[in-house]
Amino acid sequence: DSGVTQTPKHLITATGQRVTLRCSPRSGDLSVYWYQQSLDQGLQFLIQYYNGEERAKGNILERFSAQQFPDLHSELNLSSLELGDSALYFCASSQGGISSPLHFGNGTRLTVT
Amino acid sequence: QKEVEQDPGPLSVPEGAIVSLNCTYSNSAFQYFMWYRQYSRKGPELLMYTYSSGNKEDGRFTAQVDKSSKYISLFIRDSQPSDSATYLCAMSAGQAGTALIFGKGTTLSVSS
Repeated sequence: DSGVTQTPKHLITATGQRVTLRCSPRSGDLSVYWYQQSLDQGLQFLIQYYNGEERAKGNILERFSAQQFPDLHSELNLSSLELGDSALYFCASSQGGISSPLHFGNGTRLTVT
Repeated sequence: QKEVEQDPGPLSVPEGAIVSLNCTYSNSAFQYFMWYRQYSRKGPELLMYTYSSGNKEDGRFTAQVDKSSKYISLFIRDSQPSDSATYLCAMSAGQAGTALIFGKGTTLSVSS
């Protein structure tokens, strides 16, 4: 068990809808990362937060947004969902140093119908 | 050219075999190298973490980094059926504002 908790485990929703994915990092970790994993693209970095502030941005669509709260949990909001957004969404956490390894949760499987 | 290339496999070996998994990369700024193992329906789990070039051993696992060739390897000795999983290489330049970049993963199957 990595200590990173993601909810929900599964989410099925329709196109055009909006969903929120939640992540609780490991105790003591200040940094949270969001990744999207699909069969054809592999693990794609979306965004990183460190102690409540955005630290790095990857290939995150404008329809997607995230935030990290004072208690360090994070939420990833996905809106105007399209079929192509169906994927596994992983949250990872680290202590925050630039060389700190990432520890992943078990992901949220999003299916857009 | 993708930043990180990894042969997707699948790779099938008998129990007890030595397994070699490899990744190549194009960004010479990468200096932190990791291997993750991912079982079906689970998140990636950190296996090995190395900095710069050289070897690192942990039990049956050995990670090698050759920065001059932009090539990293993971060796698994005495492979077990429980090693059947997808192995992802990952690397980072370790600079603020940059992220960990993953290969697409190699699927390994170890048969008993």
